[in-house]
Amino acid sequence: GNSVTQMEGPVTLSEEAFLTINCTYTATGYPSLFWYVQYPGEGLQLLLKATKADDKGSNKGFEATYRKETTSFHLEKGSVQVSDSAVYFCALTVYNTDKLIFGTGTRLQVFP
Amino acid sequence: EAGVAQSPRYKIIEKRQSVAFWCNPISGHATLYWYQQILGQGPKLLIQFQNNGVVDDSQLPKDRFSAERLKGVDSTLKIQPAKLEDSAVYLCASSLVGNLNTEAFFGQGTRLTVV
Repeated sequence: GNSVTQMEGPVTLSEEAFLTINCTYTATGYPSLFWYVQYPGEGLQLLLKATKADDKGSNKGFEATYRKETTSFHLEKGSVQVSDSAVYFCALTVYNTDKLIFGTGTRLQVFP
Repeated sequence: EAGVAQSPRYKIIEKRQSVAFWCNPISGHATLYWYQQILGQGPKLLIQFQNNGVVDDSQLPKDRFSAERLKGVDSTLKIQPAKLEDSAVYLCASSLVGNLNTEAFFGQGTRLTVV
């Protein structure tokens, strides 16, 4: 089947620390991979995406590389800010469809 | 560009009552999704429409949940009768059809509390 597994949170960091949120997937065929973010009180919004193996998605200082060999799409940021505090969801679209499947989410808390 | 609109934002009902949620997707978006997000969990797809046809409703509890998208634009999701475990945020999203890698745009959701 198709599924996404994320590391459990919360992840608690000090400002300017390095961030990694792990995401692995199981999929039939060749999925596209996404990171969505949900800031407090707001709806889900796309952070970045990658559509094929070895692609790197990036946005707002965040990066994730589509690793087919390890079926992973880990989210990284070199220096987090308090404003990055949110819940981050890894997701995939099932191959040859636009069905979007989410992981359970990882809460990030950044303190000054 | 207007985003995905959902109403109401909040709803509290007693178990066994019925409730309906409304969604207006972004203009021109043919694909519409309803997700259920239980506290502490990721969104779970309930039903996916393409225009006014159902693409996937495999995880929709059809004994109590129903959804429609008349005319391929607005959509309503109904629960009848509600159970305590239906307490969740119900998210509507839309995307362009025909582009498998396209972004899904989400509304702010309707928070349902069943007491």
